[in-house]
Amino acid sequence: GAVVSQHPSRVICKSGTSVKIECRSLDFQATTMFWYRQFPKQSLMLMATSNEGSKATYEQGVEKDKFLINHASLTLSTLTVTSAHPEDSSFYICSISGTGAADTQYFGPGTRLTVL
Amino acid sequence: GENVEQHPSTLSVQEGDSAVIKCTYSDSASNYFPWYKQELGKRPQLIIDIRSNVGEKKDQRIAVTLNKTAKHFSLHITETQPEDSAVYFCAAITGNQFYFGTGTSLTVIP
Repeated sequence: GAVVSQHPSRVICKSGTSVKIECRSLDFQATTMFWYRQFPKQSLMLMATSNEGSKATYEQGVEKDKFLINHASLTLSTLTVTSAHPEDSSFYICSISGTGAADTQYFGPGTRLTVL
Repeated sequence: GENVEQHPSTLSVQEGDSAVIKCTYSDSASNYFPWYKQELGKRPQLIIDIRSNVGEKKDQRIAVTLNKTAKHFSLHITETQPEDSAVYFCAAITGNQFYFGTGTSLTVIP
């Protein structure tokens, strides 16, 4: 399957600062990447679908101005959490889809964000 | 949109026994149903999947069954081992959108 990396794996920041998380597809050109958020002991919640070269599609209830997504190339998508607050503390996971259609998703290792 | 329900939320079994996790979905257009295993603090790993044109699929100790009419699918783990302990998520896919179940925390007691 595809290899997906994320950076950083862990980040601690102060409230009010912005944090950028990178998601890279190492061996596959991903036209579509997905960003999920997972709170402790809860399921993965889709935040947005990141499309290469175009604007991301956000799920209902997700603030697009707070969670900025940039998918500038076929191998890189970034999620920036702007003006982070403690309630944004979560496990953020990206994934890519095999073909962009109904197919297996390959997940990155996740980024643990802690906002103090 | 799709609504995926998963039961039970927690499950404890004795080593060697079987474990069954069930999911229901609402959108009849969903056509792909993967199951993921997630260990604490790690990424979800695909363990088995089934497409809508198949009723059952098996891979060693793991099997998945799908009932499209009733809109439910199940994960079956036989001869459970302590290393099977993890959180398991089902998902239903419509188009390229994944909808995850709420997860089942499986504990296999040695």
